[in-house]
Amino acid sequence: GAGVSQSPSNKVTEKGKDVELRCDPISGHTALYWYRQSLGQGLEFLIYFQGNSAPDKSGLPSDRFSAERTGGSVSTLTIQRTQQEDSAVYLCASSFQRGAWETQYFGPGTRLLVL
Amino acid sequence: DQQVKQNSPSLSVQEGRISILNCDYTNSMFDYFLWYKKYPAEGPTFLISISSIKDKNEDGRFTVFLNKSAKHLSLHIVPSQPGDSAVYFCAAENQGGKLIFGQGTELSVKP
Repeated sequence: GAGVSQSPSNKVTEKGKDVELRCDPISGHTALYWYRQSLGQGLEFLIYFQGNSAPDKSGLPSDRFSAERTGGSVSTLTIQRTQQEDSAVYLCASSFQRGAWETQYFGPGTRLLVL
Repeated sequence: DQQVKQNSPSLSVQEGRISILNCDYTNSMFDYFLWYKKYPAEGPTFLISISSIKDKNEDGRFTVFLNKSAKHLSLHIVPSQPGDSAVYFCAAENQGGKLIFGQGTELSVKP
């Protein structure tokens, strides 16, 4: 079946501009996660959604970052007034449900470069 | 504070030999551990997992060992193949479902 998809695959933007990154989770998965991987770093948790529950935003690095999930499916991560340190690969993952022992499956990522 | 650590940034192994990738964690509340494999320009691919009630899980050429008292887990690949060359990430999941990743180990399997 179809895996997690993300768009765009690459994004180059100028400092100060806003960007939107999109994630389509695996059909039937109720939990959705955003991570990012900066150059030479491991994966850093950003935010996750579970059904209609309030999202866990504890990993968002600043108030310039926000995310929403419409209809319990597609999610959009928005970065406002981008900075050069926002350059990274942004990865989306989904799992059948939130909680322990649930495997998360990742999309291919969006490579963001802020000039 | 790095809760999950992979202290070897790289590992080189001869084809056919065993690859052993190591991971240490600090939080005893972690109860599920996963290994992901990542090729350049792709997202991480789930490889194998282990829950805290086990000390070993095997899937084909891949075996994960968990030593809870030492807060240590390892991934064994045997025999190693050139196609196994990738970056391997160890991750720990707490009861809230959040994954905490290590920095990754780049495995190179030479023919």
